[in-house]
Amino acid sequence: EAGVVQSPRYKIIEKKQPVAFWCNPISGHNTLYWYLQNLGQGPELLIRYENEEAVDDSQLPKDRFSAERLKGVDSTLKIQPAELGDSAVYLCASSTRTGNYNEQFFGPGTRLTVL
Amino acid sequence: DAKTTQPTSMDCAEGRAANLPCNHSTISGNEYVYWYRQIHSQGPQYIIHGLKNNETNEMASLIITEDRKSSTLILPHATLRDTAVYYCIVSNAGNQFYFGTGTSLTVIP
Repeated sequence: EAGVVQSPRYKIIEKKQPVAFWCNPISGHNTLYWYLQNLGQGPELLIRYENEEAVDDSQLPKDRFSAERLKGVDSTLKIQPAELGDSAVYLCASSTRTGNYNEQFFGPGTRLTVL
Repeated sequence: DAKTTQPTSMDCAEGRAANLPCNHSTISGNEYVYWYRQIHSQGPQYIIHGLKNNETNEMASLIITEDRKSSTLILPHATLRDTAVYYCIVSNAGNQFYFGTGTSLTVIP
């Protein structure tokens, strides 16, 4: 079974440029997450989707970040314009719930460097 | 707002058991305890989870105290490849995963 796929793995851009990250979750997983991980810290949730609907985007900086999950499968996270402080790893995860149990499967992440 | 407390770092000799503690004193009745680990430059990897009973799988054992306020992840025979950051998380299906900063485990040859 294929895992969560993310691309690109690495991205280097200059500040004020736009950037987009793509995620393909595990087949059949209706829940998709985007996390931000700063150096030396644990991942922090940016947004959670249930199928096509963003059910928790309270941590997403909406002035510059946006996300979409068309048809409830693949998802794209965009930053426009990027700032120096956006340099981090962006992780995508997916899950399918069984009762109160919710194991999340993570992709390898996209490492963004903003110069 | 991490719901768990873990030591920042630990060392373990190769071949010995690694015991990683976690305090989760505010855990509620329907929240599971999950353990994940993250090896450098990779995404977090699921290890094990439990609700009330102790659990064991091919990777590790999870010991949860009777009052569920703490747990211990046990890697029975640590290898160099077990060097990673280990995260203890408590969550139910409707809640976020709060990772905190985890425990950095170094397995020493």
